[in-house]
Amino acid sequence: GQNIDQPTEMTATEGAIVQINCTYQTSGFNGLFWYQQHAGEAPTFLSYNVLDGLEEKGRFSSFLSRSKGYSYLLLKELQMKDSASYLCAVMDSNYQLIWGAGTKLIIKP
Amino acid sequence: KAGVTQTPRYLIKTRGQQVTLSCSPISGHRSVSWYQQTPGQGLQFLFEYFSETQRNKGNFPGRFSGRQFSNSRSEMNVSTLELGDSALYLCASSRPGQGSNTEAFFGQGTRLTVV
Repeated sequence: GQNIDQPTEMTATEGAIVQINCTYQTSGFNGLFWYQQHAGEAPTFLSYNVLDGLEEKGRFSSFLSRSKGYSYLLLKELQMKDSASYLCAVMDSNYQLIWGAGTKLIIKP
Repeated sequence: KAGVTQTPRYLIKTRGQQVTLSCSPISGHRSVSWYQQTPGQGLQFLFEYFSETQRNKGNFPGRFSGRQFSNSRSEMNVSTLELGDSALYLCASSRPGQGSNTEAFFGQGTRLTVV
């Protein structure tokens, strides 16, 4: 079967750095997405990785290792507004998105 | 341009009833996907429509069905509602075609409560 694993919840301090991991086992691979979802709101796109390596976008970076079936989202200089759920999704060989359950990130002052 | 619009935002139904949810995608987007989101379960894929045809389907019972109209608007229907159907139902639209880097844009969702 297809499976995406992420930690359920993480806590970090304002101004610090946090890394959210995602491991996957899917039928084929056509890219990995990270989305952010604030409570009560729709998920919004953060990043897309299809090749190995690090993609940096401001305070957020996403890393992919296809051989290990592994990705992480790195958030730097954490702000209170970064408190949200972070969803990892992999596009399989049928171009269908397979979603993880999400990681709830709690930022403390 | 307008985003993905889902109606209604909130709905309360009784067990055994049926419900229809609506999704209007971003103008020009022909792919519409539906998801069920429950606490701890994440996003569970229901089905995807492209050009009025169901292109992919998740592992949900036949009580869950959908359709897409020629203007790309989509509806999903759940018949014989069960308590476990209570969830946030999200619709996402994406650009035409089938590309691997196709970003999905989500609507605000419909919160369905079955009592």
